[in-house]
Amino acid sequence: NAGVTQTPKFQVLKTGQSMTLQCAQDMNHNSMYWYRQDPGMGLRLIYYSASEGTTDKGEVPNGYNVSRLNKREFSLRLESAAPSQTSVYFCASRAGWGTDTQYFGPGTRLTVL
Amino acid sequence: GENVEQHPSTLSVQEGDSAVIKCTYSDSASNYFPWYKQELGKRPQLIIDIRSNVGEKKDQRIAVTLNKTAKHFSLHITETQPEDSAVYFCARTNAGGTSYGKLTFGQGTILTVHP
Repeated sequence: NAGVTQTPKFQVLKTGQSMTLQCAQDMNHNSMYWYRQDPGMGLRLIYYSASEGTTDKGEVPNGYNVSRLNKREFSLRLESAAPSQTSVYFCASRAGWGTDTQYFGPGTRLTVL
Repeated sequence: GENVEQHPSTLSVQEGDSAVIKCTYSDSASNYFPWYKQELGKRPQLIIDIRSNVGEKKDQRIAVTLNKTAKHFSLHITETQPEDSAVYFCARTNAGGTSYGKLTFGQGTILTVHP
């Protein structure tokens, strides 16, 4: 049982390049989330998926898109990376029944030059 | 709104002392309040949480208190140890309904415990 996994761990992009961050969970959770973490600002929600087949915007969605590929996988795409998207990205999942605990993945450190 | 204010931003204590971190929130519909600990370079991990129908919860050296009227909740760590050094985040959500567990986080507190 690996919990929540993310790939890649580190990535460096040039301005204007695109990439997809991958997230998977093996806990049969319904809900999945993407957060970004910047110094002094805590974690901010980018997008979430309440259940398979649904996605919705969070607090800071501009410049991002998401896909809930199936119940296990939730990807985050940067179509045209900007230096302001330099951050650490965390994926999280939540069962959606009986508990509200969110479990986080190990994070992806992204630098946009 | 759904803002969460967390204080202090940094906290330095001697080993064995107590540490208290406080968060205030604005959305009166908030009913679930988790606390996460994040060590350097690691993922946030849940250390304790509380629901709005409870005023206090303890787990060994850590406790959380909630004052719904004043809209604030606090993390208390007693007998601090150097391994408690980390960044601590409070969060809130309106669990259930159309909130879908979306968390709003505080800005974080860097706790340093000196041996």
